Amino acid sequence: NAGVTQTPKFQVLKTGQSMTLQCAQDMNHEYMSWYRQDPGMGLRLIHYSVGAGITDQGEVPNGYNVSRSTTEDFPLRLLSAAPSQTSVYFCASGRTFSSYNEQFFGPGTRLTVL
Amino acid sequence: EDQVTQSPEALRLQEGESSSLNCSYTVSGLRGLFWYRQDPGKGPEFLFTLYSAGEEKEKERLKATLTKKESFLHITAPKPEDSATYLCAVRTSGSARQLTFGSGTQLTVLP
Repeated sequence: NAGVTQTPKFQVLKTGQSMTLQCAQDMNHEYMSWYRQDPGMGLRLIHYSVGAGITDQGEVPNGYNVSRSTTEDFPLRLLSAAPSQTSVYFCASGRTFSSYNEQFFGPGTRLTVL
Repeated sequence: EDQVTQSPEALRLQEGESSSLNCSYTVSGLRGLFWYRQDPGKGPEFLFTLYSAGEEKEKERLKATLTKKESFLHITAPKPEDSATYLCAVRTSGSARQLTFGSGTQLTVLP
C-alpha cells in the first residue's frame, strides 16, 4: 500500500492563479480531509468528505473547493490564490467517519503564493 | 468552542532525561483524544487514541494518559530519534467528523 499520496510536493503561484492539489489513498477509506498547517496555529481543517459524492466544510473553507467523485481521490482546488493561502497542506484519510478511527496523513504540499 | 492547548511549546532534553508533555482541552463531549508525531517536512504519524479518563496507552518509550481535563505524553529515557513535534487532537460530540488540533510541542533530545 502506498497509503496517502499528495502531489505536487512544492508549488509556487502568483496571486490570482488557480490550481489543484491532488490527494489519493489506496486503503479504501471512506473518510478523507484536507488540513493546512501554519506556524504557531496547528493543523486546521479546510474540507472533509465522508464518502464519494459527500463533502462538507471545516474550520477554514473560504477560497477552497473540493469534490469526491471516487473513494480514492479527494482534490483540493484553489480558485484564486492569495498570499494568505501560503501554507503547508496535508491530506488525511480514515477508515470511516466514526469517532474512533485514527487518520493517516500524506506527506504534504508546501504552497507559496507571491 | 472546542479548545486544545499544548505545553510547553518547545522542550530540550538530554538523552535519558525523562519528561512529560501536556495537552489540556476544553470541549463538550470528548469522543477521543489522539496523539501524533510529526517529523520535519513530513505528515503527522498516528501514535495513540485515548477514549476515557483513566485510560493509558504505551508504545516503546512513550506512555499516554488521560484525565477529564488533560492528557500527558510521558517520555521515558528518551533518545535523539525521539526528537519531533508531538501533536494532540480531539474529536468531540459536537464535531464528531472533525479533529481539533493543538499547536504542538517541539521536542529535541540531545545526545
